[in-house]
Amino acid sequence: AQSVTQPDIHITVSEGASLELRCNYSYGATPYLFWYVQSPGQGLQLLLKYFSGDTLVQGIKGFEAEFKRSQSSFNLRKPSVHWSDAAEYFCAVGARNSGNTPLVFGKGTRLSVIA
Amino acid sequence: GAVVSQHPSRVICKSGTSVKIECRSLDFQATTMFWYRQFPKKSLMLMATSNEGSKATYEQGVEKDKFLINHASLTLSTLTVTSAHPEDSSFYICSARARQGGGNTIYFGEGSWLTVV
Repeated sequence: AQSVTQPDIHITVSEGASLELRCNYSYGATPYLFWYVQSPGQGLQLLLKYFSGDTLVQGIKGFEAEFKRSQSSFNLRKPSVHWSDAAEYFCAVGARNSGNTPLVFGKGTRLSVIA
Repeated sequence: GAVVSQHPSRVICKSGTSVKIECRSLDFQATTMFWYRQFPKKSLMLMATSNEGSKATYEQGVEKDKFLINHASLTLSTLTVTSAHPEDSSFYICSARARQGGGNTIYFGEGSWLTVV
């Protein structure tokens, strides 16, 4: 069965510092991979997605993620964090030719940004 | 990008009453919609998968008679919490998969806070 692991429950970074949020997945084939961000009390916003092709994916708000098949990872990065990036981040995996298959989410990583 | 709208964003109801939450895909047709429940500081728990024109598929442990899901059209799915109790208070989020193009992208609504008093 597919699963997603986000090893870090909570990360604190200084504003302007770089950020990397880890995501590892377990899946029987090449999956579709997503990163979503959730601000407190809000729904989920899609940051970026990987379907195929270039393994380095650019997203909104200056985020990027790299798919590494050998490591079953899809880590999210940002070179310089802004205070407004403080939120909960979810990595998710979906099936190709999915039909009715929903996304499987990691437990999330809460990002705090300090001055 | 595609937009999924949820309504209401916040609702307070009395214990024993029912409340309906709507999920609409505004600019695309959604063959499949998913309903999630999120507990405080927790990840999303899938409740059910609904396909337009057919009965929803519920996850294990989710009471289908309590959480009624209707997917009447390609742009609308509703979740009705029947005979609500305080333990049903939660954040409910819907998501929709686009029918055409775009690969397998799933878009989420803004969520609905339900408080049962």
